[in-house]
Amino acid sequence: QSALTQPPSASGSPGQSVTISCTGTSSDVGGYNYVSWYQQHPGKAPKFMIYEVNKRPSGVPDRFSGSKSGNTASLIVSGLQAEDEADYYCNSYAGSSKWVFGGGTKLTVL
Amino acid sequence: EVQLVESGGTLVQPGGSLRLSCAASGFIFTNYWMSWVRQAPGKGLEWVANIKQDGSEQHYVDSVKGRFTISRDNAKNSLYLQMNSLRVEDTAIYYCAKAFHWGWDYWGQGTPVTVSS
Repeated sequence: QSALTQPPSASGSPGQSVTISCTGTSSDVGGYNYVSWYQQHPGKAPKFMIYEVNKRPSGVPDRFSGSKSGNTASLIVSGLQAEDEADYYCNSYAGSSKWVFGGGTKLTVL
Repeated sequence: EVQLVESGGTLVQPGGSLRLSCAASGFIFTNYWMSWVRQAPGKGLEWVANIKQDGSEQHYVDSVKGRFTISRDNAKNSLYLQMNSLRVEDTAIYYCAKAFHWGWDYWGQGTPVTVSS
């Protein structure tokens, strides 16, 4: 159960778009459409942002979207706002009732 | 309003045991798988364990298998994590989370566990 690979950091200016990647293998990201994304502000619990690759829970702004190609999933944040500055984690089902997270990406709004 | 409130985290010596609890409210507890997810200091999230609605299935990350046991009491709307043979590397904030469509839509605020001599 190796962690999924995310870039340690990403950044963008207010109003711009940023894409955060999440790379796994054919045994996790590539094998299932069960990728979810979480936003975590310092000292807070994670917040559910995207599920099943590209579905948004109610209450999550449509500035957040998800996609997947092969073994890599992506979180796209468009129209960056100051409050989007946070850590972002991807997660994928990995078969055999196991789940694996990415190492996390710190998003900075310049 | 969905609420998940963890408790039981504390300082424990290596080799010791601890039982975490999570009190759930605001949703039909018996309808959902439930999970524990942890986060070591300054590190990322790690799925630890989950349990089926009726408690008949439990699954664990390899690093805790044989040492941790997840359980639930549906009459009390409560989730538990019994942690034995604790190691320094088990030090983390432990979150209780409600499963939803292959992810987790609600999380508690977490309870800190420190394993140190």
